[in-house]
Amino acid sequence: EAQVTQNPRYLITVTGKKLTVTCSQNMNHEYMSWYRQDPGLGLRQIYYSMNVEVTDKGDVPEGYKVSRKEKRNFPLILESPSPNQTSLYFCASSLIGRGVEREQYFGPGTRLTVT
Amino acid sequence: AQKITQTQPGMFVQEKEAVTLDCTYDTSDQSYGLFWYKQPSSGEMIFLIYQGSYDEQNATEGRYSLNFQKARKSANLVISASQLGDSAMYFCAMREVTSGTYKYIFGTGTRLKVLA
Repeated sequence: EAQVTQNPRYLITVTGKKLTVTCSQNMNHEYMSWYRQDPGLGLRQIYYSMNVEVTDKGDVPEGYKVSRKEKRNFPLILESPSPNQTSLYFCASSLIGRGVEREQYFGPGTRLTVT
Repeated sequence: AQKITQTQPGMFVQEKEAVTLDCTYDTSDQSYGLFWYKQPSSGEMIFLIYQGSYDEQNATEGRYSLNFQKARKSANLVISASQLGDSAMYFCAMREVTSGTYKYIFGTGTRLKVLA
């Protein structure tokens, strides 16, 4: 089954404790991206990757890191989480190329609470 | 600045009627894509429909159609024959292609409630 998986789905942590949210896709997609969703703000792009070893900042990259060492994986790293990073996080992937780049496939989301 | 605007925070529609969700966008790019996603209360993001900036015909996917008016920079979603299962949050989004990279911008969403 074609899918984007994220782990963990739910996480409660404390300020300053490093954490990683994993994202994996099995569709051989070049493009992967992380978003955060906050009430009243919609989804905002954190980081994206056009392919392996190619990453770039989205609109809200502060406090986050990413890496793309393999095509299928795109982990989101919070080196020192703070309460303002409490949010719902989505990973997404898509093909790149005219005619095939119609949609992003989203993971199920990770609800993160930082106390 | 590039932006997506959804001016309707919430809407009601009677079951079996049609409803239009508004979306306007702002970009200086010539090449871009417009999307609508549905987010039910369970939280997942469901792709509904896509319109490319160079597409001449309005996109349709079953009961969903996208009313694309390029000159007005609007990309409204029309849902025909609403069903109770259409109650959800709906997001309009734009993909910009700049220097060979893709960036996505989402609107703040419209919460639709279908009434029986």
